[in-house]
Amino acid sequence: GQQLNQSPQSMFIQEGEDVSMNCTSSSIFNTWLWYKQDPGEGPVLLIALYKAGELTSNGRLTAQFGITRKDSFLNISASIPSDVGIYFCAGHPTGTASKLTFGTGTRLQVTL
Amino acid sequence: DAGVIQSPRHEVTEMGQEVTLRCKPISGHDYLFWYRQTMMRGLELLIYFNNNVPIDDSGMPEDRFSAKMPNASFSTLKIQPSEPRDSAVYFCASSFEQGVPGANVLTFGAGSRLTVL
Repeated sequence: GQQLNQSPQSMFIQEGEDVSMNCTSSSIFNTWLWYKQDPGEGPVLLIALYKAGELTSNGRLTAQFGITRKDSFLNISASIPSDVGIYFCAGHPTGTASKLTFGTGTRLQVTL
Repeated sequence: DAGVIQSPRHEVTEMGQEVTLRCKPISGHDYLFWYRQTMMRGLELLIYFNNNVPIDDSGMPEDRFSAKMPNASFSTLKIQPSEPRDSAVYFCASSFEQGVPGANVLTFGAGSRLTVL
């Protein structure tokens, strides 16, 4: 099935640094979602985006729905150790009302 | 709300055995999804239900896999016979359709880690 291209695959950063990751698709998406997965747990929703150009924040997290509707990015400011985990983008391609397609994930490591 | 509840959390079985994974969705959610997660393939949608009816099972790997949703509060994913390549984490997720068409936002369970020896 279709996959979203997510980059980078992994990041090693120091506490306090800002983080940026993005997701691209060859087709148009109706929604973009960002999830975080902690070890041994299921993905948890961070931010949901519903309109092209939409910019939404959730605490230190900011995400945007790209104007072309084919991409999205997630920024984390002033990272802290508990930001460690795998971040997934996900979205609904046009014409798939219910099926959510996931990106390949970005593994984030934060060092003190 | 207790969230999406999956059982068992861990299962170790031998090749050829039947495996049954269980899921209780969030009350009031009318969509239920089964995903499989592996290092190689990431998160893959296996099947999803709407109002207890299977809508799309195109992700089910083969006939050894089957899923049922006998009522709004329970679903099973069965593998018979199991094979080592079925080893993965299986997630159940539920949702309801948001106000924006096509904007299902999924809530995931903690997953069932399956190891087939």
